[in-house]
Amino acid sequence: IAGITQAPTSQILAAGRRMTLRCTQDMRHNAMYWYRQDLGLGLRLIHYSNTAGTTGKGEVPDGYSVSRANTDDFPLTLASAVPSQTSVYFCASRRTEGTEAFFGQGTRLTVV
Amino acid sequence: GQNIDQPTEMTATEGAIVQINCTYQTSGFNGLFWYQQHAGEAPTFLSYNVLDGLEEKGRFSSFLSRSKGYSYLLLKELQMKDSASYLCAVEDSNYQLIWGAGTKLIIKP
Repeated sequence: IAGITQAPTSQILAAGRRMTLRCTQDMRHNAMYWYRQDLGLGLRLIHYSNTAGTTGKGEVPDGYSVSRANTDDFPLTLASAVPSQTSVYFCASRRTEGTEAFFGQGTRLTVV
Repeated sequence: GQNIDQPTEMTATEGAIVQINCTYQTSGFNGLFWYQQHAGEAPTFLSYNVLDGLEEKGRFSSFLSRSKGYSYLLLKELQMKDSASYLCAVEDSNYQLIWGAGTKLIIKP
């Protein structure tokens, strides 16, 4: 079944540890996004990639990094986790501008 | 700055009609999206408006007025399964999606 997959679905992480959230899509979408969703704040863009080989910073990029080595994969890395990074993380992709975005099932991350 | 405003929460009765409003102030406009998000799940696409007017899709309709920076999502014949959050998102001049905080819709029997 075509779609977008995130892993893990949930994680409890000790502060200071490094963590990579995985995101893979098989729809050959050009654009991919990482969001965090916190209660009352809606979806906030962390990083994005308009096409393989390029990335850009979103609204809340500090403490996060991404790479886009190929079309399908867009991992998000927390270099040294802090409790304020406790959130639900969604990866999304879309074919191009003006088209709907498809979301992964989300990763619930708790930093303690 | 860029801003999307939606009511935080709304309550409606099963079988009734509800209108969820969204106003926006963004750097340019290339389209407006509505998404539905059930608790604990990912957002799913409902509708897309780029021109003024009403787009109808079954029980759901979405309206856009670009001159007023305003959209609404209209849900008819409400069902209990419509209890969810509804997210408004605007695609700005850089083709980035700017998201509202969402409206939590509670349906009562």
